[in-house]
Amino acid sequence: DAKTTQPPSMDCAEGRAANLPCNHSTISGNEYVYWYRQIHSQGPQYIIHGLKNNETNEMASLIITEDRKSSTLILPQASLRDTAVYYCIVRPDTGTASKLTFGTGTRLQVTL
Amino acid sequence: KAGVTQTPRYLIKTRGQQVTLSCSPISGHRSVSWYQQTPGQGLQFLFEYFSETQRNKGNFPGRFSGRQFSNSRSEMNVSTLELGDSALYLCASSFIGGFTEAFFGQGTRLTVV
Repeated sequence: DAKTTQPPSMDCAEGRAANLPCNHSTISGNEYVYWYRQIHSQGPQYIIHGLKNNETNEMASLIITEDRKSSTLILPQASLRDTAVYYCIVRPDTGTASKLTFGTGTRLQVTL
Repeated sequence: KAGVTQTPRYLIKTRGQQVTLSCSPISGHRSVSWYQQTPGQGLQFLFEYFSETQRNKGNFPGRFSGRQFSNSRSEMNVSTLELGDSALYLCASSFIGGFTEAFFGQGTRLTVV
């Protein structure tokens, strides 16, 4: 699986948009970009995934650059409950949680 | 619908003992994957079971084993526990056949003393 690089930590004010970047310069043509988050002491939670088009769901938006070497997860209006570690993962779409390679992620702190 | 259920939530064992952890996937999900999470190593893949067969395996010693039953419930076993096995053990279930997100359980926190 391709390696990803994320900043170790970020801060965001409540109500503002949180933009979490991820670099994946060695991504292959069949690899998707997945985002998970883990709130303290809970299991990871799927957020969103995409191949090359921008994606949006009720939780977030995913912006993937045209060359697919980087992406940004956008939480449009961050709340205190969004404080968590966010993981960017790239891998083929197997439809399972098998062999997900979690890096160190970005610790997002949402503050008042 | 009910989420992924892991039991027990907390466990304390002594070195040398063995332990069995249980995971009940979401109804209809047939793939169960197990992960170990420690502060030093982060989240690491242990193995995946599908239709009672191990499909993928991570880089863990043979002391770590698992199985899956016909109802898709899965167990993992760790024998001859070591202090370094203290971790949060997570399982995730997935539906096979097109992408759906994987759902993780709350985990079992194992402490080896």
